[in-house]
Amino acid sequence: AQSVTQPDIHITVSEGASLELRCNYSYGATPYLFWYVQSPGQGLQLLLKYFSGDTLVQGIKGFEAEFKRSQSSFNLRKPSVHWSDAAEYFCAVGARGGGKLIFGQGTELSVKP
Amino acid sequence: EPEVTQTPSHQVTQMGQEVILRCVPISNHLYFYWYRQILGQKVEFLVSFYNNEISEKSEIFDDQFSVERPDGSNFTLKIRSTKLEDSAMYFCASRLLAGGPGNEQFFGPGTRLTVL
Repeated sequence: AQSVTQPDIHITVSEGASLELRCNYSYGATPYLFWYVQSPGQGLQLLLKYFSGDTLVQGIKGFEAEFKRSQSSFNLRKPSVHWSDAAEYFCAVGARGGGKLIFGQGTELSVKP
Repeated sequence: EPEVTQTPSHQVTQMGQEVILRCVPISNHLYFYWYRQILGQKVEFLVSFYNNEISEKSEIFDDQFSVERPDGSNFTLKIRSTKLEDSAMYFCASRLLAGGPGNEQFFGPGTRLTVL
């Protein structure tokens, strides 16, 4: 079955600290992989995506993610978190031919001053 | 920058009533989607739409739901007889092409539906 797991429902980090949000997927073939962010009252904004090639992808707002095929993971990282990064983060997978996205449960990030 | 818009931002309705949620996708996009997120749960796919017909739907998308592109700009989701369990945030999304690099889905801000 196709699924996405984000094991951490809520994470709190101090401003300036590094961040890693975990994402594991189960999919029949190598999918396209995405990270979206949702601020309160806002829609889903694309942070970054992986289609092929270099397994380390850079996104907006200083985020990056690494695709590890052997671990079926696509973890999101940021070296230094800012207070404005507090939001909910969703990992998603989709078929290479297009179609629906399958989302993880989401990880809520809180940032301590 | 072009964006997907949705109206209303919040809709309150009585159980059994019909609701129509409206979306204006990005103007040159060809593929349209509805997703929903029940409070505290994951975002779930409802339906995809291309070339004026449904291309895929989930098991959630039963006979109570319908979608329409009534003109060249709007994309609507109708729920004929709302149930309490339809209370959720509904997201519209659009995509330019079928697949391939760079072809991500763009999401609207959502409509929060509350069924009383």
